[in-house]
Amino acid sequence: DTAVSQTPKYLVTQMGNDKSIKCEQNLGHDTMYWYKQDSKKFLKIMFSYNNKELIINETVPNRFSPKSPDKAHLNLHINSLELGDSAVYFCASSRTGETQYFGPGTRLTVL
Amino acid sequence: AQSVTQPDIHITVSEGASLELRCNYSYGATPYLFWYVQSPGQGLQLLLKYFSGDTLVQGIKGFEAEFKRSQSSFNLRKPSVHWSDAAEYFCAGGGETSGGGADGLTFGKGTHLIIQP
Repeated sequence: DTAVSQTPKYLVTQMGNDKSIKCEQNLGHDTMYWYKQDSKKFLKIMFSYNNKELIINETVPNRFSPKSPDKAHLNLHINSLELGDSAVYFCASSRTGETQYFGPGTRLTVL
Repeated sequence: AQSVTQPDIHITVSEGASLELRCNYSYGATPYLFWYVQSPGQGLQLLLKYFSGDTLVQGIKGFEAEFKRSQSSFNLRKPSVHWSDAAEYFCAGGGETSGGGADGLTFGKGTHLIIQP
């Protein structure tokens, strides 16, 4: 009965590859998010999405794209992976304007 | 621009001693404020939150935080720490539409808490 889940937990891949990270929430929330945590543990918002709009942090490269097949899922697709993409990626969800709940994170390592 | 600052990168406290972790915010209006804890290799767990009302908020695991508008602070406290409290602590803020809303949370850089036996 995990509230916000992510798969995979670990992802190791080569530079130039395309990969996806899946996120699912069973809380009935209407807004989902992706955050990136760098090697210094700094957390930064990448995207937020509800059924009305996608808000993109302007610093996020367009190689990153969120895809939402339904309200319970927001997957993160990354094209042409680069070394600097290595990080921990967290998915979160909330009702709009309320507390965000985070998934366990996906550690991405690009070799 | 809105920001959240945690001035202490590392804090070392003896087990059983009291704890205070500092957080300062800079927002145009009163933000929604949160404290999250991250244990090694784990996700973020919400400790407590402040939206409005009583400025002293109680959270899980015996933590509390006090919102002080005059000091733009939202410091986290615990009267007696346990070894299991060793973790990374993050203060975060959001605007009225991003307490959990559209433009996401702004995080401080975190404070690493070390517990000495």
